[in-house]
Amino acid sequence: DILMTQSPSSLSASVGDTVTITCRASQGISNYLAWYQQKPGKVPNLLIYDASTLQSGVPSRFSGSGSGTDFTLTISSLQPEDVATYYCQKYNSASFFTFGPGTKVDIK
Amino acid sequence: QVRLVESGGGVVQPGRSLRLSCSASGFTFLSYGMHWVRQAPGKGLEWVAVISFDGSDKDYADSVKGRFTISRDNSKKMLYLQMNSLRAEDTAVYYCAKPAGVVIENRFDSWGQGILVTVSS
Repeated sequence: DILMTQSPSSLSASVGDTVTITCRASQGISNYLAWYQQKPGKVPNLLIYDASTLQSGVPSRFSGSGSGTDFTLTISSLQPEDVATYYCQKYNSASFFTFGPGTKVDIK
Repeated sequence: QVRLVESGGGVVQPGRSLRLSCSASGFTFLSYGMHWVRQAPGKGLEWVAVISFDGSDKDYADSVKGRFTISRDNSKKMLYLQMNSLRAEDTAVYYCAKPAGVVIENRFDSWGQGILVTVSS
């Protein structure tokens, strides 16, 4: 099974900072990677798919990059409403749609 | 618009069974594979199971394989999760989720509101 890891597990940054979250797959998954945002008490929301494509309606300060085993989610100019936990997810096969363990983002 | 509504959660004793349901609307249900995802209190997201559009293919996370069964009724636009031999570690909010396209290798673009299952004596 392909394992997904994320780093850091949590971070605290100031409003306006650029934040970078890394996701790593234990084997190559091409670009079959999504990023979700889950605000406290809410349902997960799709931000990025195919590693770098912004989901409709998502602010342009969110961006994704990477391919193969290493991926990055970047939030440029962090806003208070971005406080959430962020998860990566692979979907390169018809089974085992594994999520990463999550990265909690707070405002300093 | 897409709407997914879970039901059937509650408190159940260890070793007992429970069946979750997910009612779908706003899209052509019979064309899409569907998923269950869960989230234990204070923990991350865990993918649980997937079923193909016609119910012929199913797959499960190792943590539930042999105990949980995913099924669907396309005539009723319903997705189900039969959970047997429940354990304390199955306590979680359970979400049904829809992939973004008819190809099963796809991100999840719609989620239900979730339903809480608590396994406790």
